[in-house]
Formats: sequence, C-alpha cells, structure tokens
Amino acid sequence: LAKTTQPISMDSYEGQEVNITCSHNNIATNDYITWYQQFPSQGPRFIIQGYKTKVTNEVASLFIPADRKSSTLSLPRVSLSDTAVYYCLVGDPGVTGGGNKLTFGTGTQLKVEL
Amino acid sequence: EPEVTQTPSHQVTQMGQEVILRCVPISNHLYFYWYRQILGQKVEFLVSFYNNEISEKSEIFDDQFSVERPDGSNFTLKIRSTKLEDSAMYFCASERDRGYEQYFGPGTRLTVT
Repeated sequence: LAKTTQPISMDSYEGQEVNITCSHNNIATNDYITWYQQFPSQGPRFIIQGYKTKVTNEVASLFIPADRKSSTLSLPRVSLSDTAVYYCLVGDPGVTGGGNKLTFGTGTQLKVEL
Repeated sequence: EPEVTQTPSHQVTQMGQEVILRCVPISNHLYFYWYRQILGQKVEFLVSFYNNEISEKSEIFDDQFSVERPDGSNFTLKIRSTKLEDSAMYFCASERDRGYEQYFGPGTRLTVT
C-alpha cells in the first residue's frame, strides 16, 4: 500500500465545513483512495472511496486532483458527533486473490466544538 | 442495515489461558478479517480469510492464533495461550467484494491479567 501523510489533528466548530488533506505521492496507477472514520472504542467505519476527480455520498465528498498525489476529504457542516479519527488509505483492491488487508496509519483526530 | 456482531464485548482472562472471540459477519459477505488495536495505538491487521482458508496473515498472527468459520455464519479467532501483550480491542470485519469497503464489528475488549 502506498504511504500516506495526513495531519495529526484538526479542530473545528459545529456547522463549519472541514477539509482533511492526505498526501500520497507514490500512489500507483491501480490504487484507490479510501477514507475510514473511527469513534473511540468502536470499529472503523467506511466513509468514501474514489479513484479520481470528485466523489460525493450522503456523508462526505472526496476531491482528487488530476495527479492523484493527494486527496481531500470534505465534511459539510460538521457536528459534535463528527468528532473522531479519520484515516486515509491507498491501495489496489484487485492485487490479491483473497481479500485486502487495511493498513491504518495514525489518522487525523478531528475535534468539533460548539 | 446489516451489521457485523461480536461477542463477548469484554473478555477478561488470565495469562496462559485460551480465549475464543466470536464474530458473525454480514451474511452475503465473502471476505473476513481480524484486526486488533492496542489502547492508544493503530489498528493492526491480523488475518484475512476467504474461501474457507487464510489468505494472508501478519507477523502478529503467530502459532498462538487460529481462525475458523465452523458453520458458515460464525467466524472465530482463538488465542491458544494468552500473554499480557495480547490485551487489546479485537475487531472482526467482513467485505462482500474486494475493494477496501470493509464492515467492522463493535469489537471485543480483551484484558489479559
């Protein structure tokens, strides 16, 4: 899996948009970019995945520039309940025959305050 | 919405004892995983399981660990002789297709004393 770099922590206030950027300079042609969220004492939860340009779902948007060396997770109008650790993962989902292990880094601790 | 379940939520055991952690993955999923997270540290991959066999395992997954899918619904992780350093949160995950969209269970907190 390609190595990723993301900020250790971010602070925000309720109602603001939060953008978390992840650098992945060595991303390979077949790699996808995937973001997970983890609340304390819970398992990680899949948020969004993309390959290029922009992907949006009911939770977040993922922006990927043309060179794909970075990506930005955008959370619109955050609330206190969005306080969590956010992980950026990069890898090729088709590379192995028996599933794909996720390699988590330290992630970005997002703290949302009133 | 279907979800992965795990039992027990908390297990306390003495060093040297065997423990079995249980998971019920989502029913139409094909790929199964165990991860662990020591308090304050990263989530670490232990093992992946597909087509009734281990497809990949990490260095952590030594001979003390084993996995089984005995009946088509349960997926278990056995630690044969627990050590203090096995104390961690253990997460089961399942996936329908290869693609990094894994569904995690709520975890089992294992405390070895």
